[in-house]
Amino acid sequence: ETGVTQTPRHLVMGMTNKKSLKCEQHLGHNAMYWYKQSAKKPLELMFVYSLEERVENNSVPSRFSPECPNSSHLFLHLHTLQPEDSALYLCASSQSPSGPSGANVLTFGAGSRLTVL
Amino acid sequence: GQNIDQPTEMTATEGAIVQINCTYQTSGFNGLFWYQQHAGEAPTFLSYNVLDGLEEKGRFSSFLSRSKGYSYLLLKELQMKDSASYLCAVADSNYQLIWGAGTKLIIKP
Repeated sequence: ETGVTQTPRHLVMGMTNKKSLKCEQHLGHNAMYWYKQSAKKPLELMFVYSLEERVENNSVPSRFSPECPNSSHLFLHLHTLQPEDSALYLCASSQSPSGPSGANVLTFGAGSRLTVL
Repeated sequence: GQNIDQPTEMTATEGAIVQINCTYQTSGFNGLFWYQQHAGEAPTFLSYNVLDGLEEKGRFSSFLSRSKGYSYLLLKELQMKDSASYLCAVADSNYQLIWGAGTKLIIKP
């Protein structure tokens, strides 16, 4: 497989459930990202990992917990979510952790569509 | 605050030309990106502009004016497969990406 792969593609969970989203990149990139995409809203950056170290957390609620065990894998652990957390969660990777540039383009996965009941 | 504006939705005819505009106000500027996102799929990179002027890639071109805080994506010879959302994003002084809400482009036969 090539590119960025996300599983599951669709997830429905109750507010008391615990679930995890998984992301895997086969590009040899050094930085990985979690984004939230809601209808008609800009992408919201949630977490950034550079060489397996978390470098940014954009004030995301603690009910979202990221994990990056190695440079190829990224998880987003979910617990006690709210209905407003229903959205598309996109994982992305880039070659360099120094930030987006013409030579450091983001490669996205297809996303995990989350519905919280 | 930082802001990216682009039209919510546009409609065009197959074979025609369409221009999608993007205006931005950001703290610094380190380049502007355009991504294409088909429904249910990953956003994919289309273009990057950091200097003023026009960059052409086949049927797609992207223009930047830094003094005006303005960019556009030009799509020529439209095909049905061009129906998608087009996302504009600017890298600010800290290389943080500031995203627009996207423009949904509908192509009619």
